[in-house]
Amino acid sequence: QKEVEQDPGPLSVPEGAIVSLNCTYSNSAFQYFMWYRQYSRKGPELLMYTYSSGNKEDGRFTAQVDKSSKYISLFIRDSQPSDSATYLCAIYDYKLSFGAGTTVTVRA
Amino acid sequence: NAGVTQTPKFRVLKTGQSMTLLCAQDMNHEYMYWYRQDPGMGLRLIHYSVGEGTTAKGEVPDGYNVSRLKKQNFLLGLESAAPSQTSVYFCASSPPSGGPDTQYFGPGTRLTVL
Repeated sequence: QKEVEQDPGPLSVPEGAIVSLNCTYSNSAFQYFMWYRQYSRKGPELLMYTYSSGNKEDGRFTAQVDKSSKYISLFIRDSQPSDSATYLCAIYDYKLSFGAGTTVTVRA
Repeated sequence: NAGVTQTPKFRVLKTGQSMTLLCAQDMNHEYMYWYRQDPGMGLRLIHYSVGEGTTAKGEVPDGYNVSRLKKQNFLLGLESAAPSQTSVYFCASSPPSGGPDTQYFGPGTRLTVL
């Protein structure tokens, strides 16, 4: 069983919509939950991360962790065409384990 | 600061050929990593190094070798390339004292094995 599972999508939404991305993880001991953004033909860059459970907000982006269900989510409000990218969830346990990545297209 | 750089950006090999991918970082990081990214699989760790002269296996090490002769460089070798090694390869580096937000990725090398 993979440590992190992520629906690869793809996901296509109109500009201004809310984008909802989800992952599940296997080990309840994990504490750091990461979201990376990867533009086409580029390396991943860290978008945000949360420690333990709860929410974290950064501008239009909100990361949530539900440790009871081992579920992590990323929400993008008022999505823009520039948000079109692949979003990868990951857990950090002294090394990174990534989900498959979800490709998001925001249509103008 | 160039950050993490990778050479080459693209390469096409024939089955059985060998090649070396070079990763260089100018941030004085101790830790360096090689990942491969395949469609629907996310990034998977091939090998990593916690310092000059040390290397360790990751999740998918078979068919690859690595060397870390200098702190700033981490080499990934394919001795006899196979079509299953067609992938995008990413290098990353981080300081040992850093937390989860300190791993920086290079731009990737696209490798095709025919």
